[in-house]
Amino acid sequence: SQKIEQNSEALNIQEGKTATLTCNYTNYSPAYLQWYRQDPGRGPVFLLLIRENEKEKRKERLKVTFDTTLKQSLFHITASQPADSATYLCAFMNRDDKIIFGKGTRLHILP
Amino acid sequence: DSGVTQTPKHLITATGQRVTLRCSPRSGDLSVYWYQQSLDQGLQFLIQYYNGEERAKGNILERFSAQQFPDLHSELNLSSLELGDSALYFCASSVGPEYEQFFGPGTRLTVL
Repeated sequence: SQKIEQNSEALNIQEGKTATLTCNYTNYSPAYLQWYRQDPGRGPVFLLLIRENEKEKRKERLKVTFDTTLKQSLFHITASQPADSATYLCAFMNRDDKIIFGKGTRLHILP
Repeated sequence: DSGVTQTPKHLITATGQRVTLRCSPRSGDLSVYWYQQSLDQGLQFLIQYYNGEERAKGNILERFSAQQFPDLHSELNLSSLELGDSALYFCASSVGPEYEQFFGPGTRLTVL
């Protein structure tokens, strides 16, 4: 069955360092993937979208990579700040427009 | 503020009942998505509409149904409610199926 795994339930990173979050998928051929940020009790907020024919996308301190050979996406936050603490979700859409979200990684940036 | 509105914000009801959740997408967005989020299951895709037509179906139970109206607002109907249906229900909208989604604030449903 199709499956998406995000690297851990919680990740603690020191302020100023780079946080790297992982999203792996199996039995799946996504057309594109997205990363979202979610704060407790609120709806997810879109961060970045990358298509299958793109290797890397950047936006300010954020970078996402998409490796269809490894079946993996990496999400990086450089110069991390306490305000970056949240849950980060990856999501894939396959060619029949169905969307699968990972369960998310809780990121804590320690001052 | 994402521009997506959902009503009601909270809903408390009893098992066996039926409820309707409402979503108004951002101005100009043609796609509407419905999701269910519970603590153990994460964010589960239920259904997508594009310009009034059903586009894709996810893990939506037969007791649940949805529609998108000509003015593009959408409703999610949940019937024969069970305790396990208690969750946060999110609506999202986008310009089209392969574009970023903007999520509403959610409706928290509690079934007692």
